[in-house]
Amino acid sequence: EVQLVESGGGLVQPGGSLRLSCAASGFTFSSYWMSWVRQAPGKGLEWVANIKQDGSEKYYVDSVKGRFTISRDNAKNSLYLQMNSLRAEDTAVYYCARINWNYDYWGQGTLVTVSS
Amino acid sequence: EIVLTQSPGTLSLSPGERATLSCRASQSVSSSYLAWYQQKPGQAPRLLIYGASSRATGIPDRFSGSGSGTDFTLTISRLEPEDFAVYYCQQYGSSWGTFGQGTKVEIK
Repeated sequence: EVQLVESGGGLVQPGGSLRLSCAASGFTFSSYWMSWVRQAPGKGLEWVANIKQDGSEKYYVDSVKGRFTISRDNAKNSLYLQMNSLRAEDTAVYYCARINWNYDYWGQGTLVTVSS
Repeated sequence: EIVLTQSPGTLSLSPGERATLSCRASQSVSSSYLAWYQQKPGQAPRLLIYGASSRATGIPDRFSGSGSGTDFTLTISRLEPEDFAVYYCQQYGSSWGTFGQGTKVEIK
């Protein structure tokens, strides 16, 4: 059974940093592109970043470029999102998702709250 | 950047009725990379339709997708109580994953 489990969310002050993790199981993690998608409270889905199977290609939405870094450790079947210089507008539930010609499996999400 | 616009914002219908949701792209997109997702409160999105018209595993046949170019449609032939939710279209590629703003299907 495919499972994606996010962790690392919490309350952080504006300007602070946080690292999210996504533990994958039930499939060959190293064979898939992976993605982070976020959802602000009461709002729609927003794509954040994608990473290629070997980590050699990474893509970001404009609003997080230069602040967020997506990475992966295929030996640990894990996906990460390093978030720096956090802003109030980054407050959201962050989901990791597997890309298989579509976003076919999603984690349950982890809540990041940026507030003083 | 391709923008996806979904309409209507909210659809108020009764169980058993037909729901027709629209997703319009700001420029032509490949049907191969157009998906629809369902999201219920407090839950992660669930893939319904990929490649514009292919149902994902386990999705009932009352859900169908169609369209090409800039206009795509998700149809729910007969609404069941569990179908009341928010639906998103998405256009995806390796370097992006744009979502529409969503259509809420609510009980009338």
